[in-house]
Amino acid sequence: QSALTQPASVSGSPGQSITISCTGTSSDVGSYNLVSWYQQHPGKAPKLMIFEGSKRPSGVSNRFSGSKSGNTASLTISGLQAEDEADYYCCSYAGSSTLVFGGGTKLTVL
Amino acid sequence: QVQLVQSGAEVKKPGASVRVACKASGYTFTSYGISWVRQAPGQGLEWMGWISANNGKTNSAQKLQGRVTLTTDTSTNTAYMELRSLRSDDTAVYYCARDAVFSTVTMFDPWGQGTLVTVSS
Repeated sequence: QSALTQPASVSGSPGQSITISCTGTSSDVGSYNLVSWYQQHPGKAPKLMIFEGSKRPSGVSNRFSGSKSGNTASLTISGLQAEDEADYYCCSYAGSSTLVFGGGTKLTVL
Repeated sequence: QVQLVQSGAEVKKPGASVRVACKASGYTFTSYGISWVRQAPGQGLEWMGWISANNGKTNSAQKLQGRVTLTTDTSTNTAYMELRSLRSDDTAVYYCARDAVFSTVTMFDPWGQGTLVTVSS
């Protein structure tokens, strides 16, 4: 199972919006509405930010949103804040009760 | 509150085995599954496998099949991950995370605090 493709890094200024892409194939992202996104600060465990493509868990800011088009899922963060600086990972169901992560994207808030 | 607490750091020699524990609290253990994810130093996340705490059904990543065993003990609400024939590239932080009960659905919430496993001669 090949990893999903994410940009290695993205950056933005406070208050701006950024989008992180996550490209898979028709066997994973394109076939299932089961993409999730995780935020990980250095030395900490990941935190669920988006599940089932676009749903936010309770307690996650509505500045975070998810979408999908074809084989590519996207995470958009609006109104960037300093505390959003972290690594972000996408994850997709890949059939037969298996799944695959993206390589991760480092978000820098300038 | 829903919480997963993992066992402490381990140092193992190549060829040995390691077992990491993940104790759940704050929810009905058998109504969910547990997935295991690892992260090598400075690297990304890698899904290892999933187990249903309801019926013990498991699935694991193809590259680890034959070396990893996932189990649960419903009397103590604890999940276990055993990895055998350890190699240096198994050095990583190992996480457990609550997942769905009948299949993994990528909704990992919450996560344990992580367990560092170091493989070194």
